[in-house]
Amino acid sequence: GQQVMQIPQYQHVQEGEDFTTYCNSSTTLSNIQWYKQRPGGHPVFLIQLVKSGEVKKQKRLTFQFGEAKKNSSLHITATQTTDVGTYFCAGLVYNNDMRFGAGTRLTVKP
Amino acid sequence: NAGVTQTPKFQVLKTGQSMTLQCAQDMNHEYMSWYRQDPGMGLRLIHYSVGAGITDQGEVPNGYNVSRSTTEDFPLRLLSAAPSQTSVYFCASSYTGVQTQYFGPGTRLLVL
Repeated sequence: GQQVMQIPQYQHVQEGEDFTTYCNSSTTLSNIQWYKQRPGGHPVFLIQLVKSGEVKKQKRLTFQFGEAKKNSSLHITATQTTDVGTYFCAGLVYNNDMRFGAGTRLTVKP
Repeated sequence: NAGVTQTPKFQVLKTGQSMTLQCAQDMNHEYMSWYRQDPGMGLRLIHYSVGAGITDQGEVPNGYNVSRSTTEDFPLRLLSAAPSQTSVYFCASSYTGVQTQYFGPGTRLLVL
């Protein structure tokens, strides 16, 4: 079964509000990646976290990797309509086996 | 660079038919993979390859075969299509499995 769980499944926000999606694994991950998929498009790589407790920022996006390397989060500050899409986390479970979360679909009301 | 290309974009099959989904990349990536995407399920790894001549099973390999005769190409074969294989299929590549994965545009498959 799916080893990487992601919540929430959907999130609807008003433009300017913040947004967070959470990713949890039943096993320790070697690394975690985040992807964004626009409606009708393909996943596009955002970032990779490798170290325990790692925090990375990309403009309004903040990514965190938990101390135990079993959870991660993506936080978007002051959402914009261009942030619309589905955000996926993907964890390296073992060897080259990447497991994706089910994704969080973000919609933004102008 | 064209990146990762997939053909066809759309395909309709009847149950029991066979077909091959094509995937090619021109970035000299060693790692290539196939995922299927179903509503509410995210992307599930079908098969992957860490280099020419080497393939391995992912999370949902049943009903699918792959081969990797060259670095550039990684076709996915459905030997006898079933309605449960209706999905969107994405091919991806990266320098190694743990690095950034570049996804192709996807193939939408409908099995009747």
